[in-house]
Amino acid sequence: GAGVSQSPSNKVTEKGKDVELRCDPISGHTALYWYRQSLGQGLEFLIYFQGNSAPDKSGLPSDRFSAERTGGSVSTLTIQRTQQEDSAVYLCASSLRTSGTNEQFFGPGTRLTVL
Amino acid sequence: TQLLEQSPQFLSIQEGENLTVYCNSSSVFSSLQWYRQEPGEGPVLLVTVVTGGEVKKLKRLTFQFGDARKDSSLHITAAQPGDTGLYLCAGGIPGTSYGKLTFGQGTILTVHP
Repeated sequence: GAGVSQSPSNKVTEKGKDVELRCDPISGHTALYWYRQSLGQGLEFLIYFQGNSAPDKSGLPSDRFSAERTGGSVSTLTIQRTQQEDSAVYLCASSLRTSGTNEQFFGPGTRLTVL
Repeated sequence: TQLLEQSPQFLSIQEGENLTVYCNSSSVFSSLQWYRQEPGEGPVLLVTVVTGGEVKKLKRLTFQFGDARKDSSLHITAAQPGDTGLYLCAGGIPGTSYGKLTFGQGTILTVHP
């Protein structure tokens, strides 16, 4: 079956421009997460959507970052007025909310380079 | 300050050797997961441990959750080049949004043939 997909796979932009990153979660998964990963490093939590509940935005690093999830499925992460320190791989994950292991299934990521 | 500290950060060994990766914290976790990530791909879940003292085995990989649920280890026996990758531990923090994970900074493992 289809896994989590993300687009674009690579994005190069100039400092100050806005970018939109897209995530298509696994069908039926109610939870969706965005993370940021710097080269060879661990994952930094950004935002978490669960069903129709208000998202947990506690990881967003500044007000230049925002995310939406439309219809409980596709999500878009928007970064306004990009800065060089925004360069990283942005990973999306989805999961079935259960009372157990909460396995998160990750997409391949979008590599963002801000020149 | 990293909530989950992984060690070592880098590990370069020969095929056939054994190795252990550690994941430590001063915080208690409701559960702890280990992921493996290859270049250009997202992390893939290897195991979840939820009970203090729990030991799980996955072929040549052995995972242990500390009795106090503050630390975990991953032991690989007779490492193979196919084990090469970034290993990440991630913990669920009690009292936070369900499903929200805190990740360690990762251990980059290279197994040479």
